[in-house]
Amino acid sequence: AQSVTQPDIHITVSEGASLELRCNYSYGATPYLFWYVQSPGQGLQLLLKYFSGDTLVQGIKGFEAEFKRSQSSFNLRKPSVHWSDAAEYFCAVGDTSGTYKYIFGTGTRLKVLA
Amino acid sequence: DGGITQSPKYLFRKEGQNVTLSCEQNLNHDAMYWYRQDPGQGLRLIYYSQIVNDFQKGDIAEGYSVSREKKESFPLTVTSAQKNPTAFYLCASSTSQGGGPEAFFGQGTRLTVV
Repeated sequence: AQSVTQPDIHITVSEGASLELRCNYSYGATPYLFWYVQSPGQGLQLLLKYFSGDTLVQGIKGFEAEFKRSQSSFNLRKPSVHWSDAAEYFCAVGDTSGTYKYIFGTGTRLKVLA
Repeated sequence: DGGITQSPKYLFRKEGQNVTLSCEQNLNHDAMYWYRQDPGQGLRLIYYSQIVNDFQKGDIAEGYSVSREKKESFPLTVTSAQKNPTAFYLCASSTSQGGGPEAFFGQGTRLTVV
């Protein structure tokens, strides 16, 4: 069955520290991969996406993610976290067979200490 | 500006009532989706539609109904059969332009049963 796992429910980092949020997926082929961010009471904003090609993708707000086929992972990274990065982050896979369906992980809530 | 508009932002429902959540997009996207979000459970797919006058059940369709009479609109009705409707509801649309699908989200509707 297709699934997305975000093993960390909560992560706390100090402002200026580096960040890595983990995402593992189960899918029959290489899916489309996404990271979204959600502020409280708001919709989701796309940070970055991977469809094919270069396995290191750059996104908005200084985020990047690396697709590792051998590990079925798509981890999100940021070298230096800002207080405004505190939010919930969702990893998602998109179906590649034309159904346009997406499967989301359960999210990782990031807290940033001043 | 192009985007997805959900209304209302907050909605209160008495037990036994049906309520309809509005979702309108002016992005000219073919596909539209409804997700339910509960704390710690990520986003779960209720219904999705790839074209006008056609829609499919997602993972948690029981107690919900939708229509897709226009490309721009995808309203969701939460019926009295939905046993636990209190949740945050997110509407999304997607395009396959640019090599792969990318979902755009509305700002959500918070439904509370009183």
